[in-house]
Amino acid sequence: ETGVTQSPTHLIKTRGQQVTLRCSSQSGHNTVSWYQQALGQGPQFIFQYYREEENGRGNFPPRFSGLQFPNYSSELNVNALELDDSALYLCASSRRAGRQETQYFGPGTRLLVL
Amino acid sequence: AQTVTQSQPEMSVQEAETVTLSCTYDTSESDYYLFWYKQPPSRQMILVIRQEAYKQQNATENRFSVNFQKAAKSFSLKISDSQLGDAAMYFCAYSPRYGGATNKLIFGTGTLLAVQP
Repeated sequence: ETGVTQSPTHLIKTRGQQVTLRCSSQSGHNTVSWYQQALGQGPQFIFQYYREEENGRGNFPPRFSGLQFPNYSSELNVNALELDDSALYLCASSRRAGRQETQYFGPGTRLLVL
Repeated sequence: AQTVTQSQPEMSVQEAETVTLSCTYDTSESDYYLFWYKQPPSRQMILVIRQEAYKQQNATENRFSVNFQKAAKSFSLKISDSQLGDAAMYFCAYSPRYGGATNKLIFGTGTLLAVQP
């Protein structure tokens, strides 16, 4: 176990809806990264939060947004869901952005958009 | 843009045997990190081994070792004495050492390893 938790484990939404996914970091970690893993693919970087500020973003549209809280837990919000948003969403926490600290992954949230 | 390629979608190995998973990457950077992550059916991604590009010595972690060929941009994972618990999807990943302030990981498409008893 990595100490990183995510909720919910599974979620079913319909196209056009909004969804919020949650991540609790490992103790002592102040950086959270979110990844999208489509079926049969490797994870794709969505964005990273460091000390409550967005600290880098991948090639995802603005309807993907996030938050990091003072306790370093994090949320991923996706608006106007599309069918292609169906994927496993992974969060990973690490001690500090900017250095190559090992990222510890949560078990993921499986999102299905119908 | 950096890319990571895993050309073996599936591999199979007999228990107690040795298997090598291949990974190549493309980057113009001279300093970076390479990783192998394991994702079992439970889905939780687990770090297997990590290599720093400026280190000549290949990393090892118990039964896991890498063959890092910087000039060839190759980073293979060798699993010795394979065990049933090694069955999983294995991802090769790259991260720039000085990628601004973001230590994002760039993953390959994965290799599914089956271990036969």
